[in-house]
Amino acid sequence: QQPVQSPQAVILREGEDAVINCSSSKALYSVHWYRQKHGEAPVFLMILLKGGEQKGHDKISASFNEKKQQSSLYLTASQLSYSGTYFCGTEYQVTGGGNKLTFGTGTQLKVEL
Amino acid sequence: KAGVTQTPRYLIKTRGQQVTLSCSPISGHRSVSWYQQTPGQGLQFLFEYFSETQRNKGNFPGRFSGRQFSNSRSEMNVSTLELGDSALYLCASSFQASGRSYEQYFGPGTRLTVT
Repeated sequence: QQPVQSPQAVILREGEDAVINCSSSKALYSVHWYRQKHGEAPVFLMILLKGGEQKGHDKISASFNEKKQQSSLYLTASQLSYSGTYFCGTEYQVTGGGNKLTFGTGTQLKVEL
Repeated sequence: KAGVTQTPRYLIKTRGQQVTLSCSPISGHRSVSWYQQTPGQGLQFLFEYFSETQRNKGNFPGRFSGRQFSNSRSEMNVSTLELGDSALYLCASSFQASGRSYEQYFGPGTRLTVT
């Protein structure tokens, strides 16, 4: 089941904040966040694990509500460089371990002057 | 540290042909995952290889296959190409021990066009 991301698109003025949400219908083991700029590969931003462990960038924060199977990505004081498509990738506990990310449809974010 | 590399970057094939794509992971990374990206379907997981074994598999037909070599380099093969196979194929490597999830590092992708 593909996670649902919202909003689908957002336009910000430089300096504004944004929140991107990711919801799953299944219990989650981890949530990954990636940003992809046009014509480039997705770049890792943040990983949140069941149990509370997080790893990511200093200027980007995220939350993971295990009970609601939801994650939110918080972008504060946005910069032009934040523009791109943001994907959440959800992971369920798979037999044998390993990575099997199911990505959402993405949120297009554009930051303008 | 060198990033993930993929070859070739662009490929044009005809329906019915087969194609092999290559991915070299970041040094020290033993897990390689493959994804298909299209405007309509987004990023879809194909399979993951770890220590030369396919560990996870997505919902793609058997025409899509892969393998991993002892140096962790991976190849993906698509046989009997269809027009719908036109996509950006991304590989991602990650450090993997066991028991937890690790961030993935994506390569630049191979743009496959099937005519």
